[in-house]
Amino acid sequence: DARVTQTPRHKVTEMGQEVTMRCQPILGHNTVFWYRQTMMQGLELLAYFRNRAPLDDSGMPKDRFSAEMPDATLATLKIQPSEPRDSAVYFCASGTGRKSSRWTEAFFGQGTRLTVV
Amino acid sequence: AQTVTQSQPEMSVQEAETVTLSCTYDTSESDYYLFWYKQPPSRQMILVIRQEAYKQQNATENRFSVNFQKAAKSFSLKISDSQLGDAAMYFCAYRSLSRSYNTDKLIFGTGTRLQVFP
Repeated sequence: DARVTQTPRHKVTEMGQEVTMRCQPILGHNTVFWYRQTMMQGLELLAYFRNRAPLDDSGMPKDRFSAEMPDATLATLKIQPSEPRDSAVYFCASGTGRKSSRWTEAFFGQGTRLTVV
Repeated sequence: AQTVTQSQPEMSVQEAETVTLSCTYDTSESDYYLFWYKQPPSRQMILVIRQEAYKQQNATENRFSVNFQKAAKSFSLKISDSQLGDAAMYFCAYRSLSRSYNTDKLIFGTGTRLQVFP
């Protein structure tokens, strides 16, 4: 059963510490998204990649967040330094489609619940 | 820019009854996808149903069906024979099919919390 795998599932860290969240997209999927979910803002797109190339990271605070895809099986989201306002659930999703490289369905991981104290 | 609006923060339904969740969207494009995702307390985002804008026929997946009104930019989800396991947050989402750069993202509404009573 193919699925998007995110680690860790939960993370509690102190303000100022670096946080790294990892995502293993479904094998063969060429589009990867990072979303953040909070009660106040709902689901916000932070970044997304197609064929490992970043396409849009305009939703990401550039001074502290960075997103990369070192290879096709791993996407990472880093926060350095972390702040209490970063507390949220972070989702990774991957997608694929029949036609060229455009995805038709996006599948989500179970999310990483981050708490910054 | 495209926007998605879910005007019902909460809905409730009795088991075995039918409920409809509303979604409207704003776009100037003619070709796009629309989705409904379900998020149960486990927080897993589960794809419920997908509609291609070029298809006039409404999508159906078992007890889930949509009423897609392209001119009105409306995309409601109907759940028939509601079950306790249907209780969750439901998100409507839009995805452009424009060939412009970086339009592959999903734009979500704010969600509707559905409660199902026995």
